Amino acid sequence: DTGVSQNPRHKITKRGQNVTFRCDPISEHNRLYWYRQTLGQGPEFLTYFQNEAQLEKSRLLSDRFSAERPKGSFSTLEIQRTEQGDSAMYLCASSLYGNTEAFFGQGTRLTVV
Amino acid sequence: AQSVTQPDIHITVSEGASLELRCNYSYGATPYLFWYVQSPGQGLQLLLKYFSGDTLVQGIKGFEAEFKRSQSSFNLRKPSVHWSDAAEYFCAVGTGSSNTGKLIFGQGTTLQVKP
Repeated sequence: DTGVSQNPRHKITKRGQNVTFRCDPISEHNRLYWYRQTLGQGPEFLTYFQNEAQLEKSRLLSDRFSAERPKGSFSTLEIQRTEQGDSAMYLCASSLYGNTEAFFGQGTRLTVV
Repeated sequence: AQSVTQPDIHITVSEGASLELRCNYSYGATPYLFWYVQSPGQGLQLLLKYFSGDTLVQGIKGFEAEFKRSQSSFNLRKPSVHWSDAAEYFCAVGTGSSNTGKLIFGQGTTLQVKP
């Protein structure tokens, strides 16, 4: 088990372009979370899945953001029409159902120019 | 509203000195509390967690934290800091019932270690 894996690690894109990030959770974990972290701040919760169902979305997740977890395994986070304010580290985490801790990936650093 | 406050944005300690990082939370129910550490450009690594029971919890790398309900605090301590401890430290509270992966984080404390 190699932990939570995120790809790509870095992404530079032009404003207005669409980007997609991938997260592969720890294999037996049925919960998956997305967070966003801007410079000098703590991570902020965006959304989470239990298996393939997206159970909660933060108000931070605007209409330009969409997340999927089609087979309850890996997840993708897509940002459409990127804006400079979307520049951040996007972190994925996974956990087992119940009162267990979340394990984080190394994140995808997005820079919108 | 639920929140986590880390009053110290930046702390510098000498190698071998003791360390205490402060964390205060605001949460209506019994909190699930965590400390994570983040090295530059990296993800978050869990240092320790409090769910219930003994209020003094031990973690990895020689860290410990004490939950004080009366003070709404969960301060992180280490008796002797090593240069490799230089990193950013985040306190977090789990906000979901039986869903401790949904977290509210503090702003973080950057730890610098002087040789």
